[in-house]
Amino acid sequence: DIQMTQSPSSLSASVGDRVTITCRASQSIGYYLNWYQQKPGKAPKLLINAASSLQSGVPSRFSGSGSGTDFTLSISSLQPEDFATYFCQQCYSAPTWTFGQGTKVEIK
Amino acid sequence: QVQMQESGPGLVKPSETLSLTCAVSGYSISSAYYWGWIRQPPGKGLEWIGSIYHSGSTYYNPSLKSRVTISVDTSKNQFSLKLSSVTAADTAVYYCARLSQYQYDSSGYYIAYWGQGTLVTVSS
Repeated sequence: DIQMTQSPSSLSASVGDRVTITCRASQSIGYYLNWYQQKPGKAPKLLINAASSLQSGVPSRFSGSGSGTDFTLSISSLQPEDFATYFCQQCYSAPTWTFGQGTKVEIK
Repeated sequence: QVQMQESGPGLVKPSETLSLTCAVSGYSISSAYYWGWIRQPPGKGLEWIGSIYHSGSTYYNPSLKSRVTISVDTSKNQFSLKLSSVTAADTAVYYCARLSQYQYDSSGYYIAYWGQGTLVTVSS
């Protein structure tokens, strides 16, 4: 099984800060990596697919990069509505999938 | 617009079988795509349970495979989850979902649509 490890598990940041979240796969997964945002009590929402392709309607302050085993989700200037939990998901092993454990972004 | 809605008991006794249904509107589940179940224990991360392809092929998380059955009812445009021999560790919000393929690579998938989720508590 492919394991996905996110870091950090949580972080505190201020509005306007640049935030970076890392996701590492236990083996190479090419660019088969998606990022989701989840707010309390809600289903996750897709932000980025194929490691760096921004979903329609997602603000351009979000960006994704990486390939192989190391991936990054960046938020260039954190906004109040960005405080949430972020998950990575690999689909290299489709039709089986695994998620990272999540990174909670909190207000400093 | 695809809409998905989970339904089923919110409370299940230990050792019994958890049964949930996902009603789909706005798209015929027999036409295409993977349809799946994902769960999230309170305060924890997401766990993929399993998926069913529109053709009927099923794929399960190896850690749950011995207890999981996913089936589809095309006449009602819905698919179902059964998880047997539940314990407190199976307490979670259960989501149904539909996957879509990457725009330029049909080998890639992402979760395009989610149900709102339903909390299932395992307790006597």
